[in-house]
Amino acid sequence: NAGVTQTPKFQVLKTGQSMTLQCAQDMNHNSMYWYRQDPGMGLRLIYYSASEGTTDKGEVPNGYNVSRLNKREFSLRLESAAPSQTSVYFCASRTGHTYEQYFGPGTRLTVT
Amino acid sequence: RKEVEQDPGPFNVPEGATVAFNCTYSNSASQSFFWYRQDCRKEPKLLMSVYSSGNEDGRFTAQLNRASQYISLLIRDSKLSDSATYLCVVNNAGNQFYFGTGTSLTVIP
Repeated sequence: NAGVTQTPKFQVLKTGQSMTLQCAQDMNHNSMYWYRQDPGMGLRLIYYSASEGTTDKGEVPNGYNVSRLNKREFSLRLESAAPSQTSVYFCASRTGHTYEQYFGPGTRLTVT
Repeated sequence: RKEVEQDPGPFNVPEGATVAFNCTYSNSASQSFFWYRQDCRKEPKLLMSVYSSGNEDGRFTAQLNRASQYISLLIRDSKLSDSATYLCVVNNAGNQFYFGTGTSLTVIP
């Protein structure tokens, strides 16, 4: 099992460009999450999906949209990237039975 | 007030030492607690869940003090491979997880 995978690993965007970060898990987990991690700050929740077909805002949703394409895949879209969105983005998933999350390897995004 | 607070360190300890980290949380209704380990430029990985009765996994012991709203992690007989950042995570029984900023540990030969 690959666990949680993310693409791309690295990305550089210019201000105003758009892109989609992809996440997939093969653990048959119901819940999936998108976080960002910035220096000096803990991981902050952007959006989550408790189950296929549902999505909800987290702590810092502004500037992002998400799609839960199916049970395996949860994508994060930046419609018009801003330098403040320079960060490391992690996707995570968990079963419905425990609160233990499993993380993907992350996407390092730089917006110039 | 932050949901979760940790001493960022850094903690620099010699091999074989015992080191302890604390983490405080602000919401008394919090229900699930975890310690994650994060190596440099890698993803967080679950180290252990923290149960009310306390739990131990080899050299690692986690404790929960609900009255004072803190959790702790004790590492005994530190190894070089324990060098990492340790993240405290709290969940309020929904899908909102709150992460501390992490405590940096370096184990010195």
